[in-house]
Amino acid sequence: ETGVTQSPTHLIKTRGQQVTLRCSSQSGHNTVSWYQQALGQGPQFIFQYYREEENGRGNFPPRFSGLQFPNYSSELNVNALELDDSALYLCASSPTRQGPADTQYFGPGTRLTVL
Amino acid sequence: QKEVEQNSGPLSVPEGAIASLNCTYSDRGSQSFFWYRQYSGKSPELIMFIYSNGDKEDGRFTAQLNKASQYVSLLIRDSQPSDSATYLCALDSGGYQKVTFGTGTKLQVIP
Repeated sequence: ETGVTQSPTHLIKTRGQQVTLRCSSQSGHNTVSWYQQALGQGPQFIFQYYREEENGRGNFPPRFSGLQFPNYSSELNVNALELDDSALYLCASSPTRQGPADTQYFGPGTRLTVL
Repeated sequence: QKEVEQNSGPLSVPEGAIASLNCTYSDRGSQSFFWYRQYSGKSPELIMFIYSNGDKEDGRFTAQLNKASQYVSLLIRDSQPSDSATYLCALDSGGYQKVTFGTGTKLQVIP
């Protein structure tokens, strides 16, 4: 157990809908990163939040957006869902936004299925 | 060319043998390298990290890094059936802890 929690565990949506995924970071961690892992692939970096501001973004369209709250928990929002958005969404928290990522811990993930 | 390349496997080894997992990367500026283990349906778990050329040992695991050849490997000694999982090679490719992953190698340890 890493102390990072995510909700919900599983989610089924239809194409065109919107979804919100939630992450609570480990105590003492102020940085949250989100990753998308499609079946048979490695995780891909979506974006990172540090102290409520976006601190870096991967190659994902603007319909992927996020928030970080004062308690450092975070949300990932995806609008206009597409079939290819079906994936495991992983949240990772770390105590700092800089330095090597050996202190970054992953939550259990949310499995999103888009029909 | 993908940033991090791994053979997808599966790599099958008998119980008690040494499993050797390999990875190459394209960005010569990469500084930090990681091996994650991921069981089916679970999230990745960091098992080794290495920053300097050479070997780093932790229990049954040894990570090897050769920056000149842009090559990272993971050796698992005395492989156990519980080691059966997908092993993800990754590197830290940005100043803000953006981790870039390979597609993973599936390891099967046969009892």
